[in-house]
Amino acid sequence: DGGITQSPKYLFRKEGQNVTLSCEQNLNHDAMYWYRQDPGQGLRLIYYSQIVNDFQKGDIAEGYSVSREKKESFPLTVTSAQKNPTAFYLCASSRETGGSNTEAFFGQGTRLTVV
Amino acid sequence: AQSVAQPEDQVNVAEGNPLTVKCTYSVSGNPYLFWYVQYPNRGLQFLLKYITGDNLVKGSYGFEAEFNKSQTSFHLKKPSALVSDSALYFCAVRGLNTGFQKLVFGTGTRLLVSP
Repeated sequence: DGGITQSPKYLFRKEGQNVTLSCEQNLNHDAMYWYRQDPGQGLRLIYYSQIVNDFQKGDIAEGYSVSREKKESFPLTVTSAQKNPTAFYLCASSRETGGSNTEAFFGQGTRLTVV
Repeated sequence: AQSVAQPEDQVNVAEGNPLTVKCTYSVSGNPYLFWYVQYPNRGLQFLLKYITGDNLVKGSYGFEAEFNKSQTSFHLKKPSALVSDSALYFCAVRGLNTGFQKLVFGTGTRLLVSP
C-alpha cells in the first residue's frame, strides 16, 4: 500500500538531547512537510521541501533541522535548542509544489514527550 | 498572508441531525480549500477540496462543503450525523499564485455527535 510512515509513534526525550523523527513516503511525491500540533493551535509548519536536496524554513523552524537526501525520506531532528518540544509531530507529502491543487497526505504522527 | 478561521472550538449535534462546521478564509486571489478529519492520536485524513467549478463539493463519508466567495466561507456539512463522525475537523487554505504556496490550517473544531 502507498502511504506515509512515521516512526516511532511515541518518543521520549531527556532534557538536552537531540532526537530524530523518521518520515518515509512511497507515493513518489516531490513535496514533503513537517507540522507541529499543539492543543488549540492547529497545525504549524516547521519545514518543507519541494525537491530532493532542498528545504525551506516554515513558521516555527527554530530548534529544528531537516535533511532531504532522498525523495522518499524527510527526517526531522528536534535539537536541544527547541525549548518546548513536547508536541504531536505530523509529516505530510503532496504530489506537486507551487500553486498546485493537490491535497497533502499525512502520516500517523509521532508524539514527542520531554521527560 | 493566508489565514483560516474556525470560530467554533466544539460543535455538538445529535445523531441523525444535520451538522455544519464553519470555516472562513483569507487569501489573496483565488483559493484552494480543503477539509481534513483527525481521530485521536492519528494523522489527518483528507475529506474534500474545492479548486474551481461547482460551489458544492462532495467528499468522503457523506460530507460536503459549500464554497461562498462573497462570504469567504467554506463550511463543512453533512445531512445526517453519525456517532462515528465525532472527531477533530480542520479547514485549510492554499493560495493560487505562482511559486510555493503553503497550506495554512485553522485551529480545528471538535465535533461531538451524541447517540
